[in-house]
Amino acid sequence: GAVVSQHPSRVICKSGTSVKIECRSLDFQATTMFWYRQFPKQSLMLMATSNEGSKATYEQGVEKDKFLINHASLTLSTLTVTSAHPEDSSFYICSASSGDPNTGELFFGEGSRLTVL
Amino acid sequence: GQNIDQPTEMTATEGAIVQINCTYQTSGFNGLFWYQQHAGEAPTFLSYNVLDGLEEKGRFSSFLSRSKGYSYLLLKELQMKDSASYLCAVTDSNYQLIWGAGTKLIIKP
Repeated sequence: GAVVSQHPSRVICKSGTSVKIECRSLDFQATTMFWYRQFPKQSLMLMATSNEGSKATYEQGVEKDKFLINHASLTLSTLTVTSAHPEDSSFYICSASSGDPNTGELFFGEGSRLTVL
Repeated sequence: GQNIDQPTEMTATEGAIVQINCTYQTSGFNGLFWYQQHAGEAPTFLSYNVLDGLEEKGRFSSFLSRSKGYSYLLLKELQMKDSASYLCAVTDSNYQLIWGAGTKLIIKP
């Protein structure tokens, strides 16, 4: 099946630094990618929808200047957590669809666990 | 508002059958997904229903009734590795994916 690769899987950083997370679709072109965060024992929360070549659409309450999303190609989207703080510690997951994102299967990356000290 | 309900936690015995229910109230409907998520890992796709009825895939089956706003995931011949959270998600009329909180399934020997 289709594969989505996410890197890094774990990252620990100091407060105030920026962290970049990459999401790659390895064997298909993903015109749309989704970024989620998940706190312990909670469901996935959509942060933003990333479309190749255009600005990301952020969900209400998500700071676009803090969570920078770039979808420069059909196989790569990046999420940069700028000036990270301990409250940003979370599990970040990306997903992509190989076809119509509204009706098809979503393939998830492995997730990135961010710990901000 | 939009709402998806599923039990918080269920316990079942290895080799048995378990049914995880999901009810939804959304503005429109364009499909329902079930995902499996092991602790500390990303979700993996299990099933997609857009028409009423039962979809069978190996040990897992998913049922949908659009008129009742109801779905269930049926797991047969339970194995210890099936211990995980099972997430129900619905696509609404705006093609927004609404997630349930997940059902933690505990399998006992």
